[in-house]
Amino acid sequence: QQQVKQSPQSLIVQKGGISIINCAYENTAFDYFPWYQQFPGKGPALLIAIRPDVSEKKEGRFTISFNKSAKQFSLHIMDSQPGDSATYFCAASYPGNQFYFGTGTSLTVIP
Amino acid sequence: GAVVSQHPSWVICKSGTSVKIECRSLDFQATTMFWYRQFPKQSLMLMATSNEGSKATYEQGVEKDKFLINHASLTLSTLTVTSAHPEDSSFYICSALQGTGNTIYFGEGSWLTVV
Repeated sequence: QQQVKQSPQSLIVQKGGISIINCAYENTAFDYFPWYQQFPGKGPALLIAIRPDVSEKKEGRFTISFNKSAKQFSLHIMDSQPGDSATYFCAASYPGNQFYFGTGTSLTVIP
Repeated sequence: GAVVSQHPSWVICKSGTSVKIECRSLDFQATTMFWYRQFPKQSLMLMATSNEGSKATYEQGVEKDKFLINHASLTLSTLTVTSAHPEDSSFYICSALQGTGNTIYFGEGSWLTVV
């Protein structure tokens, strides 16, 4: 059973555009929702994370929007750049437990 | 951010031999570490949860006798692929849980090629 569902599988965006990746979860016990960025041949790197007590968190060009009632959260990348081209994973967890990852989104930003 | 070091970054071994991959948390103590396997263009597949001083918890379908995990200290966990076969060739990634909260940090991954 896929605990965290992620879409789209791949995304192509023009430079300067907005990239949006969506995730949905089922377990209401989750209380931590991070996003990871992974470049080819590298391990994932924590990008930004949110807890369910806030609806939005922004760090630079990256924003997480969180909808607790809908059990959905999304990553927005503003002013997307070619250097943002990578695979993005959403995840969900509760304290001390394993992380459940989405299936990943391959983002390509075209110059 | 916290740093998790994984070694080696890549390794080639002969079929039938064993390979050890190390995962170290460099600036924090990690009572819990995780080991993942990732196939090209796919998500991370959790193999096992490693707890310091106790036996690892393996996910369903992962052979515990083949993938030996040892978490002997608060900063080091090792994954040993025993009697490796070509189908074990993959990208192996570890992560370490910082403190008792949620934040985990990933290592850079280790490419294993079995020939």
